[in-house]
Amino acid sequence: AQSVAQPEDQVNVAEGNPLTVKCTYSVSGNPYLFWYVQYPNRGLQFLLKYITGDNLVKGSYGFEAEFNKSQTSFHLKKPSALVSDSALYFCAVRPSYGQNFVFGPGTRLSVLP
Amino acid sequence: DTAVSQTPKYLVTQMGNDKSIKCEQNLGHDTMYWYKQDSKKFLKIMFSYNNKELIINETVPNRFSPKSPDKAHLNLHINSLELGDSAVYFCASSPPGTLGLQETQYFGPGTRLLVL
Repeated sequence: AQSVAQPEDQVNVAEGNPLTVKCTYSVSGNPYLFWYVQYPNRGLQFLLKYITGDNLVKGSYGFEAEFNKSQTSFHLKKPSALVSDSALYFCAVRPSYGQNFVFGPGTRLSVLP
Repeated sequence: DTAVSQTPKYLVTQMGNDKSIKCEQNLGHDTMYWYKQDSKKFLKIMFSYNNKELIINETVPNRFSPKSPDKAHLNLHINSLELGDSAVYFCASSPPGTLGLQETQYFGPGTRLLVL
């Protein structure tokens, strides 16, 4: 079965410190990988994606993610966290063209001033 | 300009009622989706439509039925509402085209449904 895991329900980080939100996946074939962010009472917003090519992907708001095929991971990172980054982050996988998106359970990021 | 819009934003109703949630996108996208987000924030796809054809139908109760009057709209009809239907429902759309473009989804703001 295809699945996405985000092992941490909650990540707390001090403002200005680097942040990492973890994601691992289990799918067949070559996956397409995504990160979305959800602010309170809002819909999901696209952050970045990996389709092919360079394993390091840069996205919106200074976020980046690294695709690691051997570890089946796609961790989200940012060098210096902002309080405004506090939100719910979803990792998502699309196993192959035309198939469903599978979303992880979400990780709540709290950036403390 | 709102790219993906949903109405209503909030919906409170009694068990057994029939209700609809509307979704419209002005992005010219070919594919639209409905997702359900439960109280624990788990997000699950319910349906997707491509050019007015249902291409993915997850194992949701047949009380739920998507209806697409045209490419820009995908409405969700729910019959005989149950307490467990309480959730936030998100509409989304994605563009056609080449590899990569196809894969990004744009989400609406959500409809918060509460069944009493």
